[in-house]
Amino acid sequence: QKEVEQNSGPLSVPEGAIASLNCTYSDRGSQSFFWYRQYSGKSPELIMSIYSNGDKEDGRFTAQLNKASQYVSLLIRDSQPSDSATYLCAVLTGFQKLVFGTGTRLLVSP
Amino acid sequence: SQTIHQWPATLVQPVGSPLSLECTVEGTSNPNLYWYRQAAGRGLQLLFYSVGIGQISSEVPQNLSASRPQDRQFILSSKKLLLSDSGFYLCAWSLGVNEQFFGPGTRLTVL
Repeated sequence: QKEVEQNSGPLSVPEGAIASLNCTYSDRGSQSFFWYRQYSGKSPELIMSIYSNGDKEDGRFTAQLNKASQYVSLLIRDSQPSDSATYLCAVLTGFQKLVFGTGTRLLVSP
Repeated sequence: SQTIHQWPATLVQPVGSPLSLECTVEGTSNPNLYWYRQAAGRGLQLLFYSVGIGQISSEVPQNLSASRPQDRQFILSSKKLLLSDSGFYLCAWSLGVNEQFFGPGTRLTVL
C-alpha cells in the first residue's frame, strides 16, 4: 500500500463547475496535510494546509480532512481553465517525513 | 519575504560528466533544505535533506551527493552522471517540520 494515494486522472470538469480531488493516506499518526498545485513544466506551489478534522476554506479552495477515514480532499469551486494543473497531496507522517502522492491531473474545459 | 533560487534552469549533460546544482534561500535563517527529483510522469522522490550546515541525510543510495556549506545554500553533485539521472530537480525549504516551499527547479537531461 502506498503511503499517499491519489487517482492520476485526468479529472475533466467544465468551466464553472466544482472540481473534487481526493487523497488517502496510510499512516494514522499523520498530523499535517498539504495540497500543492503544479503547472506543466513548473515547480509545485503550496495552495492549502490543513491540520484538524473538518473543512478549511480559502477563496475558491476548500480542503477537507477526515482523520478517522484517513482521507483528505480539495474542492475547487467555480473552476477556471487556469486551474488546469496537477494537484499533489502531501502528508506529514508520524515519522516527521513529508510524503507526496503522485498527483491528480485536472483539466477544466471552457 | 522568503525566496528560493535554483540554477541553472536547464542543463544537458553527457553520460559520465560531473554535475553541480545550486540552491539558495533568502529571507530566512536556519531553514531545513531538501533536494527532490521528479522523473517524467512520476512523483516527487526525496533525495537529501539537511537541518543545518554540514548535516546531510540521504534518502536514496545513488551516485548523487549533497552538501550544505552555508546556512542558506544547498548543493547537489555527482561525479559521473547516468542516463537515469535525468529529471526535474527541485530544491525546497521549510522552517522546522512544516510545509515546504519549492524553488523553480532545474531540468536535467543526460544524453
